[in-house]
Amino acid sequence: QKEVEQNSGPLSVPEGAIASLNCTYSDRVSQSFFWYRQYSGKSPELIMSIYSNGDKEDGRFTAQLNKASQYVSLLIRDSQPSDSATYLCAVMNNQGGKLIFGQGTELSVKP
Amino acid sequence: GAGVSQTPSNKVTEKGKYVELRCDPISGHTALYWYRQSLGQGPEFLIYFQGTGAADDSGLPNDRFFAVRPEGSVSTLKIQRTERGDSAVYLCASRDWGTDTQYFGPGTRLTVL
Repeated sequence: QKEVEQNSGPLSVPEGAIASLNCTYSDRVSQSFFWYRQYSGKSPELIMSIYSNGDKEDGRFTAQLNKASQYVSLLIRDSQPSDSATYLCAVMNNQGGKLIFGQGTELSVKP
Repeated sequence: GAGVSQTPSNKVTEKGKYVELRCDPISGHTALYWYRQSLGQGPEFLIYFQGTGAADDSGLPNDRFFAVRPEGSVSTLKIQRTERGDSAVYLCASRDWGTDTQYFGPGTRLTVL
């Protein structure tokens, strides 16, 4: 079992819809959770971090964390074609330590 | 301000050659990370520096890989006797003390022929 798992996609949604991206992790002591966006040929760019159970909203993005289920998700409301990218879920087990990434979910937003 | 920079952006080498990849972190960031990303995969951790010392080198795949950060700023990832399987994008990230956020550089695409 991989430490961090994501559906590779591609996930295709129409413009204006809600895109839902999911991630599970295996290590229960994980403390910090991140969503990075990566455009083709570019490096990862942080879009959300979450540390506590529940929801965290930032503009059109909402991250959700459920430590009991070892599950973290990202919702993108009013999806735009410019949101088309690969979304990487990352987990940090120790304060300031290495990130463990999932394989990424490719999102395609169709106009 | 300036972000993380990496040089070269692309490196093509022949099997068996030695390569050096450079990372210049965000000014003042004490923590520096190297990751490797293969096509269709997420980044894979290689090594983490806190200041000048390697705090965690558990991700280095074998003894052909070595990294240094002699003055606590710029870091160099060194790969000896390159193999075709070393072909990937090598990413560097840095982090400010007391925060969790890692900022990535543009990466170096290494191709071993």
